[in-house]
Amino acid sequence: SQQGEEDPQALSIQEGENATMNCSYKTSINNLQWYRQNSGRGLVHLILIRSNEREKHSGRLRVTLDTSKKSSSLLITASRAADTASYFCATDQGSSYKLIFGSGTRLLVRP
Amino acid sequence: EAQVTQNPRYLITVTGKKLTVTCSQNMNHEYMSWYRQDPGLGLRQIYYSMNVEVTDKGDVPEGYKVSRKEKRNFPLILESPSPNQTSLYFCASSLRGANYGYTFGSGTRLTVV
Repeated sequence: SQQGEEDPQALSIQEGENATMNCSYKTSINNLQWYRQNSGRGLVHLILIRSNEREKHSGRLRVTLDTSKKSSSLLITASRAADTASYFCATDQGSSYKLIFGSGTRLLVRP
Repeated sequence: EAQVTQNPRYLITVTGKKLTVTCSQNMNHEYMSWYRQDPGLGLRQIYYSMNVEVTDKGDVPEGYKVSRKEKRNFPLILESPSPNQTSLYFCASSLRGANYGYTFGSGTRLTVV
């Protein structure tokens, strides 16, 4: 079952620009996580934000969470070609037992 | 280095021939899980384990088996593979379930002909 849905499905930007990806979900959550996947490889955990947090930063990443709108956004500032990847949000649906992943946003950063 | 190790990376097999994909983690994580990733369907959970000898079904468990006899290992068994199990498989672990970040393996690309 799909919990998170990312928007847009694909995004193409120039190196140095900021990239914003959005995630919407349907049920209440304890936390929301963002992951990056380079083509065909394993997912890499980027950041976890808990339901009582509104914003979190990690290096060039900024994540916001609006539980009233059931949505989150991931901002990558000053993008680099190496940021080219698919980005997934994942939520726990209030359960400790599994993460449900969204369909992902494919980001292309042009040099 | 903290990691989840899956083997093999690539596997081509024939319908009905039993196979096992191994997964091992060196982080003393309690929680482990298997996902499959298919174009257009995203990542779907197959099975998970909260601790040794504790396993449960995910969203797409049919045709798969797992076991958790030791904390570090969580093999995925396909007793009689079929072509619809052709997919990219990922093993993941976390300290204690979905309230913590997952560490993923590099993936196993399985083709069943």
